[in-house]
Amino acid sequence: DADVTQTPRNRITKTGKRIMLECSQTKGHDRMYWYRQDPGLGLRLIYYSFDVKDINKGEISDGYSVSRQAQAKFSLSLESAIPNQTALYFCATKDREGYTFGSGTRLTVV
Amino acid sequence: GQNIDQPTEMTATEGAIVQINCTYQTSGFNGLFWYQQHAGEAPTFLSYNVLDGLEEKGRFSSFLSRSKGYSYLLLKELQMKDSASYLCAVRDREDDKIIFGKGTRLHILP
Repeated sequence: DADVTQTPRNRITKTGKRIMLECSQTKGHDRMYWYRQDPGLGLRLIYYSFDVKDINKGEISDGYSVSRQAQAKFSLSLESAIPNQTALYFCATKDREGYTFGSGTRLTVV
Repeated sequence: GQNIDQPTEMTATEGAIVQINCTYQTSGFNGLFWYQQHAGEAPTFLSYNVLDGLEEKGRFSSFLSRSKGYSYLLLKELQMKDSASYLCAVRDREDDKIIFGKGTRLHILP
């Protein structure tokens, strides 16, 4: 099993719909992160969490919310999806050495 | 704030050597990462430099100069599978976030 698992792998949704992206990890790390990646813009931080009770906004949090249900689970929600949220989304955990990324969720909003 | 610059694209020939540069400006530096990312896949860890100097790992080496805000990734004996994007990322001392550059897309020609 992968250390960091994201579901779904691919999703197409309509404008205005609510959608949740899920992330779970088996590494036992406290710190978890959500990034989005767009061509030419690199990885941009949406939200991050240092533990279950500590949630922080990243550089592009507008239009997103998160929930840290347990140490191992960190979900990202789009309350009302819009087309410019079409992107590749990565969840990651972090230890002293750096990040371990999930395989990504490719989200298309039509 | 932080600013990370790296070339957008580079091309090199199979069997050759290529150097990918990264310059950064940060209010509190606490390490620099290099990641490799194949198209549509998750980034994977290559190297982590905290102190000045060269770190060598097989065909890949990473160099850091903190006083110059400069790093490079050196790839030797290039193989076709090295065609990927290479992401430079800086760890911030204040909040321990890792901020990514936009990545350098490396094309390998036979």
